[in-house]
Amino acid sequence: AQRVTQPEKLLSVFKGAPVELKCNYSYSGSPELFWYVQYSRQRLQLLLRHISRESIKGFTADLNKGETSFHLKKPFAQEEDSAMYYCALLNAGGTSYGKLTFGQGTILTVHP
Amino acid sequence: DTAVSQTPKYLVTQMGNDKSIKCEQNLGHDTMYWYKQDSKKFLKIMFSYNNKELIINETVPNRFSPKSPDKAHLNLHINSLELGDSAVYFCASSHQRDNEQFFGPGTRLTVL
Repeated sequence: AQRVTQPEKLLSVFKGAPVELKCNYSYSGSPELFWYVQYSRQRLQLLLRHISRESIKGFTADLNKGETSFHLKKPFAQEEDSAMYYCALLNAGGTSYGKLTFGQGTILTVHP
Repeated sequence: DTAVSQTPKYLVTQMGNDKSIKCEQNLGHDTMYWYKQDSKKFLKIMFSYNNKELIINETVPNRFSPKSPDKAHLNLHINSLELGDSAVYFCASSHQRDNEQFFGPGTRLTVL
């Protein structure tokens, strides 16, 4: 069964500090991973996906198959980065095609 | 110009009642989803429809019945509401090939 683990429920940093939100996954196939973000009073939206290898709003995430991780990183956090972040794993085949399994979420707070 | 919309935004009702939540997307997507976000902010998929056909049905009580009248709509009907059904319900849609899921604003259901 696929599983996504975000070990930190809460993460606090100061503005300008580096930030890393951890995500580990368990999946028997070839993983396709996403980071979604939910800002206060806004809908959940895609931040980035590993196959696009983009940097969005200064965030990057690298898939490490050896460690089964997809940690989200930003070198200099900004106050507007404060939000709930979800790591998600896509089931890309079989009867559960399109099923997104989410981690528990990490609430990031960036202090001024 | 909303991409994925849900109605109502808030729903407060008594135990035992039957209620529906509606979802519409104007993105031309062929796949739609319902997710439940519990009080601990944990997000879990409930159902998924592709071209009006049910493709994912997680372990959800029979009291929950999705209905897709056309590709742009996926409604959720809930019978005999229970206290534990209180949650935020999110609708989402995607193009099957692209797989990025676009989320609605959520419906906060409170069962008294």
